[in-house]
Amino acid sequence: AQSVTQLGSHVSVSEGALVLLRCNYSSSVPPYLFWYVQYPNQGLQLLLKYTSAATLVKGINGFEAEFKKSETSFHLTKPSAHMSDAAEYFCAVKGSQGNLIFGKGTKLSVKP
Amino acid sequence: DTEVTQTPKHLVMGMTNKKSLKCEQHMGHRAMYWYKQKAKKPPELMFVYSYEKLSINESVPSRFSPECPNSSLLNLHLHALQPEDSALYLCASSQAGTSGRSDTQYFGPGTRLTVL
Repeated sequence: AQSVTQLGSHVSVSEGALVLLRCNYSSSVPPYLFWYVQYPNQGLQLLLKYTSAATLVKGINGFEAEFKKSETSFHLTKPSAHMSDAAEYFCAVKGSQGNLIFGKGTKLSVKP
Repeated sequence: DTEVTQTPKHLVMGMTNKKSLKCEQHMGHRAMYWYKQKAKKPPELMFVYSYEKLSINESVPSRFSPECPNSSLLNLHLHALQPEDSALYLCASSQAGTSGRSDTQYFGPGTRLTVL
């Protein structure tokens, strides 16, 4: 069975600082991994996804993530946080039936 | 265009009401999903339709009844709901059906449901 664990339910950074949101996965088969962002009272927007083509995946809004099999990790990073990045971030893995299995989410706050 | 639309945006209903949520996509996607999201929680899968057939029902109570009239439209019929059913209901779609493991799921903005 597949699962993901997001470390840290709340991360706070200063504007311009590095953003690092952690996600570890568990999967008995090669995983397909996703990061989504959710702004208040909105749906989920795809930031990026890993489908085994490349271990470093670049997404929208300056985000990227690196797949590390040895560490079973898929952490999300952004070099310089912007106020508009404040949101909830979900890591997810594709289940065997095509459904998404989400982590519990990390709320990112950005201080001016 | 990667848009999934949902109506209504907000819905308030009593426990004896019958209402429906609607989801539409025109991307030619063959899988459509209903998720329920409680406050400060991740989305939880409720139903999946693949090629207009119900393929996954995550043990959802019968007061929730999904319907997929055609490949572009997905409904969720609500009847005799409880206050604990208040949540954000999200619809999503993906291209190749549930067998497409690398497919992206595109989400709608959700319907905020309040049951009084």
